[in-house]
Amino acid sequence: DIQMTQSPSSLSASVGDRVTITCQASQDISNYLNWYQQKPGKAPKLLIYDASNLETGVPSRFSGSGSGTDFTFTISSLQPEDIATYYCQQYDNLPFTFGGGTKVEIK
Amino acid sequence: EVQLLESGGGLVQPGGSLRLSCAASGFTFSSYAMSWVRQAPGKGLEWVSAISGSGGSTYYADSVKGRFTISRDNSKNTLYLQMNSLRAEDTAVYYCAKEKLVGATLVGSAFDIWGQGTMVTVSS
Repeated sequence: DIQMTQSPSSLSASVGDRVTITCQASQDISNYLNWYQQKPGKAPKLLIYDASNLETGVPSRFSGSGSGTDFTFTISSLQPEDIATYYCQQYDNLPFTFGGGTKVEIK
Repeated sequence: EVQLLESGGGLVQPGGSLRLSCAASGFTFSSYAMSWVRQAPGKGLEWVSAISGSGGSTYYADSVKGRFTISRDNSKNTLYLQMNSLRAEDTAVYYCAKEKLVGATLVGSAFDIWGQGTMVTVSS
């Protein structure tokens, strides 16, 4: 199985800060990498697909980059409504696997 | 509006069975692969099982292989997960999720639509 290592596991930042989360795959997954946002008690929401494509309706302050084994997710200017846990997920090989999650809080 | 609505969760004893359903609306159900993803209390997301749009291909996580069966009824726009020999470690919120890419035989893309989840608790 492909292991997805996400870091940090949690972070605290101020409104307006740039926030970066990384995700490393245990083997080359090309660009078959997605990013999700999950707010407490809610279902996950797709933000970025295929490493760098912004899902329709998602604010442009969210972005993704990377290919192969190393990926980055960025919030360019953190907003109060961005408080959530973020997950990466690979679909290059079954079983599909998720990173452990990054909990984002406001400082 | 594209929507997924799960049902069938509840409390079951270890070794028991439960069948989850996921009713889909707002899209051509048979054209999209579907998956079940679960989340144990306070934990991360775990993919459980997937099925192609046609229903001809199914896939399972090792943790549920041989105990869970995924299926779909495209005439009823409904996805199912039959869960047998349930264990305490199966306790989780179970989400159904639609894949983004269209294709009756395709499995593997982003999960663009999720249901609200249904809670399964395995306990005596």
